[in-house]
Amino acid sequence: EVQLEESGGGLVQPGGSLRVSCAASGFTFSNYGMSWVRQAPGKGLQWVSGISGSGYSTYYADSVKGRFTISRDNSRNTLYLQMNSLRADDTAVYYCAKALREGIINPFDCWGQGTLVTVSS
Amino acid sequence: QSVLTQPPSVSAAPGQKVTISCSGSSSNIGNNFVSWYQQFPGTAPKLLIYENNKRPSGIPDRFSGSKSGTSATLGITGLQTGDEADYYCGTWDSSLSVGVFGGGTKLTVL
Repeated sequence: EVQLEESGGGLVQPGGSLRVSCAASGFTFSNYGMSWVRQAPGKGLQWVSGISGSGYSTYYADSVKGRFTISRDNSRNTLYLQMNSLRADDTAVYYCAKALREGIINPFDCWGQGTLVTVSS
Repeated sequence: QSVLTQPPSVSAAPGQKVTISCSGSSSNIGNNFVSWYQQFPGTAPKLLIYENNKRPSGIPDRFSGSKSGTSATLGITGLQTGDEADYYCGTWDSSLSVGVFGGGTKLTVL
């Protein structure tokens, strides 16, 4: 069974940093692109960042480019999102999501339960 | 403001059919596959439709998808109260190299 489990969310002050993680199991992690998708309270889905299976290719939404870094450790079957210079509008539930097929970034056929990141003083 | 445009809400009676539209541009829907997701409050989204009109295993054939030009449509027939949820379209934008979603549509089954 494919499973994704996020961790690392919490309360952080504006301008601070946080790293969220996503532990994957049940599939050959290194073969699949992965993404982070966030959802602000009461709002819709926003794609944040994606990474190829090898980790060689990365993609970012304009709103986080230069502040967030996506990475993966295929030996640990883990996806990461390093978030720096956090702002109040980064407050959201952050989901990790697995690509449907090998070699692509989207669509997403499996999602984690999400981890809440709150940016507030 | 979302790159893809969806109606904020739709409603229909149990047993009826409803469609949800998703409008984009040539750089996203026009040249890429569209997917649809269902989300219940407090839970993660679930893939309903991929590659415009394909259903993952376990998704009933009451759900269907189509695409024409720069627009896509999700159809749901035989509406049930359990279908009340938020529905999102999504795709890739080739010009921006980013994933994009619609703003979401809240379905109410009256």
